[in-house]
Amino acid sequence: DAGVIQSPRHEVTEMGQEVTLRCKPISGHDYLFWYRQTMMRGLELLIYFNNNVPIDDSGMPEDRFSAKMPNASFSTLKIQPSEPRDSAVYFCASSLGGGTIYEQYFGPGTRLTVT
Amino acid sequence: AQKITQTQPGMFVQEKEAVTLDCTYDTSDQSYGLFWYKQPSSGEMIFLIYQGSYDEQNATEGRYSLNFQKARKSANLVISASQLGDSAMYFCAMRVVDSNYQLIWGAGTKLIIKP
Repeated sequence: DAGVIQSPRHEVTEMGQEVTLRCKPISGHDYLFWYRQTMMRGLELLIYFNNNVPIDDSGMPEDRFSAKMPNASFSTLKIQPSEPRDSAVYFCASSLGGGTIYEQYFGPGTRLTVT
Repeated sequence: AQKITQTQPGMFVQEKEAVTLDCTYDTSDQSYGLFWYKQPSSGEMIFLIYQGSYDEQNATEGRYSLNFQKARKSANLVISASQLGDSAMYFCAMRVVDSNYQLIWGAGTKLIIKP
């Protein structure tokens, strides 16, 4: 299996620009999660989907962040406009189910730097 | 409240020695899952091992085992015969019904294996 695929791996952008991060979950997984990791705040869950439907977006920091999952094999996380404090590593993860027994598999992450 | 506590911010261990990384958890749920992840300096999050709350046997995966003590609410990760490649951050996480099955993360332990 190819694992969770994320692109780009690195993104450097200027403040105010739109940033789009992409994720392809493992085939057959019906849960998809977006996380952000920083030194200060650790790993934070931003939003997650079940069967392409957003279930909980309470972790999305503000309206500048949006996420979509148009089909079972693709999701995007968009930041518009970007700010320096958005600099972080963004992970996408997927799991086979939503119960307590299911592990999440992570993509390699996108390192975002906003200058 | 659901919580994961990892009390060891950092550890130094001699190569080939066994390592125990501590994790305690707090939940009132009877059904929960406990997970360990490894994050090497390259940044990816790697799933290592899972323990279910109803599992009577401690989980094992190769050199990794989970010392599960339910009454003490601890789920320590044991790495046998440590290798230089084990140097990484290690995160303990929990998934419970009450948290809508989201993963609750500990702060992590940075493990450094000395040659």
